[in-house]
Amino acid sequence: DTAVSQTPKYLVTQMGNDKSIKCEQNLGHDTMYWYKQDSKKFLKIMFSYNNKELIINETVPNRFSPKSPDKAHLNLHINSLELGDSAVYFCASSLSGGAYEQYFGPGTRLTVT
Amino acid sequence: QKEVEQNSGPLSVPEGAIASLNCTYSDRGSQSFFWYRQYSGKSPELIMSIYSNGDKEDGRFTAQLNKASQYVSLLIRDSQPSDSATYLCAVNGKGYSSASKIIFGSGTRLSIRP
Repeated sequence: DTAVSQTPKYLVTQMGNDKSIKCEQNLGHDTMYWYKQDSKKFLKIMFSYNNKELIINETVPNRFSPKSPDKAHLNLHINSLELGDSAVYFCASSLSGGAYEQYFGPGTRLTVT
Repeated sequence: QKEVEQNSGPLSVPEGAIASLNCTYSDRGSQSFFWYRQYSGKSPELIMSIYSNGDKEDGRFTAQLNKASQYVSLLIRDSQPSDSATYLCAVNGKGYSSASKIIFGSGTRLSIRP
């Protein structure tokens, strides 16, 4: 199936740990994104890569480090997890350019205890 | 002023009626406008995109755009219980020529009552 996929779907971990989330898309898109959706359901962009180049880097703690090995994959590594990092993290992809729609992965629900 | 504003709802509409969802945005330079539907516990799903002033229809959905008033709306005709969800308005943001930086509204929760 063509889609945006993410792993893992759920992630429960303790404060101070380091964790990674992986994303893959087979839609042929060249741009990928990480979003964070908090408990109030507000969806906010964190990062975007276009053809492996970081092009959007919002005000995010530097404990969050994205990596894009190729244009079909985007990973998010989080160091020293904090309680406030608990949220749902969505990966999305699109063609480049402002007019193109973004398609979302199923999300990773991160719970930090 | 928020960049993209929506009434959080909940908006309760009887089954079979028209649901009207509204959104205003602050950046006059915005060119692309999207409506996403998000069911509880699921990811946002694109249902409509609109780029020109006027109406765009797709099945039971009609998106309306008025750039002069900086207003975009979504009408859902013949509302069904399956339409109960949160609807997110999204508008492309400033800069970032090679990426579509979309700004999302906080969403309107729609409830279709039988």
